[in-house]
This record gives sequence, C-alpha cells and structure tokens, in this order.
Amino acid sequence: QKEVEQNSGPLSVPEGAIASLNCTYSDRGSQSFFWYRQYSGKSPELIMFIYSNGDKEDGRFTAQLNKASQYVSLLIRDSQPSDSATYLCAVSPSSNTGKLIFGQGTTLQVKP
Amino acid sequence: EAGVAQSPRYKIIEKRQSVAFWCNPISGHATLYWYQQILGQGPKLLIQFQNNGVVDDSQLPKDRFSAERLKGVDSTLKIQPAKLEDSAVYLCASSLDRDYVLGELFFGEGSRLTVL
Repeated sequence: QKEVEQNSGPLSVPEGAIASLNCTYSDRGSQSFFWYRQYSGKSPELIMFIYSNGDKEDGRFTAQLNKASQYVSLLIRDSQPSDSATYLCAVSPSSNTGKLIFGQGTTLQVKP
Repeated sequence: EAGVAQSPRYKIIEKRQSVAFWCNPISGHATLYWYQQILGQGPKLLIQFQNNGVVDDSQLPKDRFSAERLKGVDSTLKIQPAKLEDSAVYLCASSLDRDYVLGELFFGEGSRLTVL
C-alpha cells in the first residue's frame, strides 16, 4: 500500500464545473495535509493546507479532511482552463520531522 | 525576497558519469530538502537537512548519492556513478520551521537530469 494515494487521471471537466480531487493516506497519525499545484515543467506550489477535520475554503478552493477515513479532498469551483495542472496531495507523517510525503498527483484538464 | 535557487537547470550525461547539483535556499530557512521527481510521479524525499545536520536520509541511495550542506546554507547533491533510472528532476526546497504544522515548503525550479 502506498503511503499517499491519488488517482493519476486525467480528470477532465468543462470550464465552470466543479473539479473534485481525492487522496487517501495510510499513516493514521498524520497531522497536516497539503495540496500543491504543479504546472507542466514547473515546480510545485502550495495552494491549500488543512489539519482539522472538516472543510477549509479559500476562494474557489475547498479542502476537506476526514481523519477517521484517512481521506483528503480538494474541490475547485468554477474551474478555469488555467487550473489545468497536476495536483499533488502531500502529508506530513506522524514522525513530524518536517518532511512531506507526496502522492503521484492527479492531472486535471479543464476544457473551454 | 529571493526564492530557492538551483543550478544547473538541465544536465545530460552518460551512464556511469558523475553530476552535481547546487541549491541555495531562501535566506533564513533552516530546513533544506532534496526531492527526486521521476516523470509521472510525485516528488520523493532523498534527504532533509536541519541547518547542517541530516534529519532524514532514509531514501537516499547512499552507494551512489551523496549530499552536504556546508555552514547550514547552500547544499550540493552528487550522483556518482549515474544510472539510467536516475533520470529525473531534482527539486530543492526549503522551509522556515522544522515543525511542519506551521511551515511551508518552497521549491526551486528544479534541475532536470537525463542519463543516456
């Protein structure tokens, strides 16, 4: 079992739709969870972090965390073609040394 | 504020040759990470430094990879000898806090290695 799992996609949605990206993790003691966006040929950039159960909203982005189910998701409302990228789920493991464990990423395509 | 600087951006070498990558983190960031990202995969941590000490190098292939962080500032990652499977982007990142609940990783542009 991978430590952080994501569906590699591609996930294709029409412009203006809601994109839903999912992630599961294996370390039940993990405390912090992150979503990074990576455009092709570029480095990852942080878009959201969450460490409490429930929802956290930031503009068009909503992160959802369910620690009991070991599940993290990212919703992107009113998807735009500029949102087309790979979205990496990252988890800070229970050892809390500061490192992040990344999933393989989900490629999102937003079609005009 | 200057970001994480990496060089070279691109490197092509033959297998069994050696290569070195350099990273200068954001000023004041105590923690420095080297990640390897193979095409189509997420970044994988190779080594983590806190100042000039190693925090985690459990996934560093120590028979061929080495890294150092002199004076707790910039860092060098070396591969010798390189294998075909080392073809990847090597990402350097830095963070302000070791306690990651509060911190954020800032990534450099990466060094893309192609081993022929």
